[in-house]
Amino acid sequence: ETGVTQTPRHLVMGMTNKKSLKCEQHLGHNAMYWYKQSAKKPLELMFVYSLEERVENNSVPSRFSPECPNSSHLFLHLHTLQPEDSALYLCASSPRGGAKEKLFFGSGTQLSVL
Amino acid sequence: GESVGLHLPTLSVQEGDNSIINCAYSNSASDYFIWYKQESGKGPQFIIDIRSNMDKRQGQRVTVLLNKTVKHLSLQIAATQPGDSAVYFCAEGGYSTLTFGKGTMLLVSP
Repeated sequence: ETGVTQTPRHLVMGMTNKKSLKCEQHLGHNAMYWYKQSAKKPLELMFVYSLEERVENNSVPSRFSPECPNSSHLFLHLHTLQPEDSALYLCASSPRGGAKEKLFFGSGTQLSVL
Repeated sequence: GESVGLHLPTLSVQEGDNSIINCAYSNSASDYFIWYKQESGKGPQFIIDIRSNMDKRQGQRVTVLLNKTVKHLSLQIAATQPGDSAVYFCAEGGYSTLTFGKGTMLLVSP
């Protein structure tokens, strides 16, 4: 148990659906992240929030919309996704959001877009 | 941009052997390095990290070696066990968030 909880663990959705991924951290950290993990590719950073302010957005399509209502919760709202968006979506947190600190990951949401 | 890579996509060892997983990095400005383990169906789990002012750091059954001259990082696992079977990632940190490599699959046979 890493202290980072993601729900749901699995999600199947059609291209016209709207769904949300949820992440909660119980570590008292100030930074939270969304990563995309596709087969045979490195982890891709999508969004970074530090103290609830978005500090980095790696040119992610607008069909992915993050929300960070407080430092413990992070959401990823999904709409009009494409089949190539099927992947494991990982949430992580870190104490301050710097480049030289370890990330604590959740178990991920395995997303399948039909 | 510069990237982190791994030499071997799959490493197969016998239980009890020592395992060595290698990683090459190309950003000479990186000064923080970290190894993660990812088991099937789980998120990446921190193993060990090292800063560039060190060449070696040891944990429980694991050692990370850093060679800044050739920009090479390795993870050594002593007395490898079946429970060590997983994908191992290295990552580097510098001025922005961590950059991850693709990963190496470690397979441990009983």
